[in-house]
Amino acid sequence: AQSVSQHNHHVILSEAASLELGCNYSYGGTVNLFWYVQYPGQHLQLLLKYFSGDPLVKGIKGFEAEFIKSKFSFNLRKPSVQWSDTAEYFCAVRVRAGGSYIPTFGRGTSLIVHP
Amino acid sequence: DTAVSQTPKYLVTQMGNDKSIKCEQNLGHDTMYWYKQDSKKFLKIMFSYNNKELIINETVPNRFSPKSPDKAHLNLHINSLELGDSAVYFCASSQGLAGGHNEQFFGPGTRLTVL
Repeated sequence: AQSVSQHNHHVILSEAASLELGCNYSYGGTVNLFWYVQYPGQHLQLLLKYFSGDPLVKGIKGFEAEFIKSKFSFNLRKPSVQWSDTAEYFCAVRVRAGGSYIPTFGRGTSLIVHP
Repeated sequence: DTAVSQTPKYLVTQMGNDKSIKCEQNLGHDTMYWYKQDSKKFLKIMFSYNNKELIINETVPNRFSPKSPDKAHLNLHINSLELGDSAVYFCASSQGLAGGHNEQFFGPGTRLTVL
């Protein structure tokens, strides 16, 4: 079965610092990759997704992620974080199993940005 | 204009009770999901319905029974609640064959506490 690892469980940054959150998955076939964000007290929202094509994906709010197939990674980056980026970030993978797509989420990374 | 709504938002109950959580989406999607997020923030899929048919049923105790009266609703009934059922339960929906390329829209979550 596929799995998703997010190595950084808690990240604390100051405003304007650069951010990189790691995400590795274990699955040898075709994957669809996602990053979701959960702001305090809110539901999960999609930040960005990758299916095919350019491995560097741009998302909302200045986030981007790079798919590196050889490393089974899909790291999330932002060059300069803001206080409002304080949230939980979840990496997710969907793989095709029979007629369905099985979504698997990482355990999340809690980001706190100090003003 | 909530896209995916869940009721109740909070649910506190005693062990052994039976409870239900309701989910409704007004996005016209044909696929709905239930996820469980435990205290360590792991988000794990429980069930998925496509056009009212069960298509994903992960390893979940049979005390949990989803019911989809129509494409816009996916309710979760839990019998004989146990302490370990305490978690946040998220409903989600998407359009297409169990997701795949399509974004999942999440509800606000239901925090279940079993005493």
